[in-house]
Amino acid sequence: NAGVTQTPKFQVLKTGQSMTLQCAQDMNHNSMYWYRQDPGMGLRLIYYSASEGTTDKGEVPNGYNVSRLNKREFSLRLESAAPSQTSVYFCASSTGSTNEKLFFGSGTQLSVL
Amino acid sequence: GENVEQHPSTLSVQEGDSAVIKCTYSDSASNYFPWYKQELGKRPQLIIDIRSNVGEKKDQRIAVTLNKTAKHFSLHITETQPEDSAVYFCAASILGGNMLTFGGGTRLMVKP
Repeated sequence: NAGVTQTPKFQVLKTGQSMTLQCAQDMNHNSMYWYRQDPGMGLRLIYYSASEGTTDKGEVPNGYNVSRLNKREFSLRLESAAPSQTSVYFCASSTGSTNEKLFFGSGTQLSVL
Repeated sequence: GENVEQHPSTLSVQEGDSAVIKCTYSDSASNYFPWYKQELGKRPQLIIDIRSNVGEKKDQRIAVTLNKTAKHFSLHITETQPEDSAVYFCAASILGGNMLTFGGGTRLMVKP
């Protein structure tokens, strides 16, 4: 039982490049989330998926897209990376369709030059 | 939307002392308040949560109190130990929803 697995752990991009962050959970959770963590700003919700087949915007969705590929997998895509997207990205999941008791992945440290 | 303010941003205590971290929230509809602990280089992990139908909840050395009228809640850690050193995040949301709003975090350092 691996919990929530994110790849890659580190990534460096040039401005304008695109990339996809992958996330998978093996806990049969319904809800999945993408957060970004910046110093002094806590964790901010980018997008979430309350159940398979649905996705919704969070607090800071601009510049990102998501795909809930199946119940296990939830990916985050940066179409044209910008330096403001330099951050640590965390995927999370929870049982049911609410945000109680989030289980986080180990994070992706992304730098955009 | 919801806004959560957390204080202090850093807190240094001597081992064995108590530590208190305070948060205020803006949306009176919020009724679910979790606390997450993030050790250096690790993922955040839920340590305790409280719903608005109770004023206090305890789990061993950790307790959370909630004042709905004043819209603030606090984390209390007693008999602190070096392994309590971490960044602590408070959060608020409406129970049953998906929009969890986090505070900015408190870096707690416990000196042996």
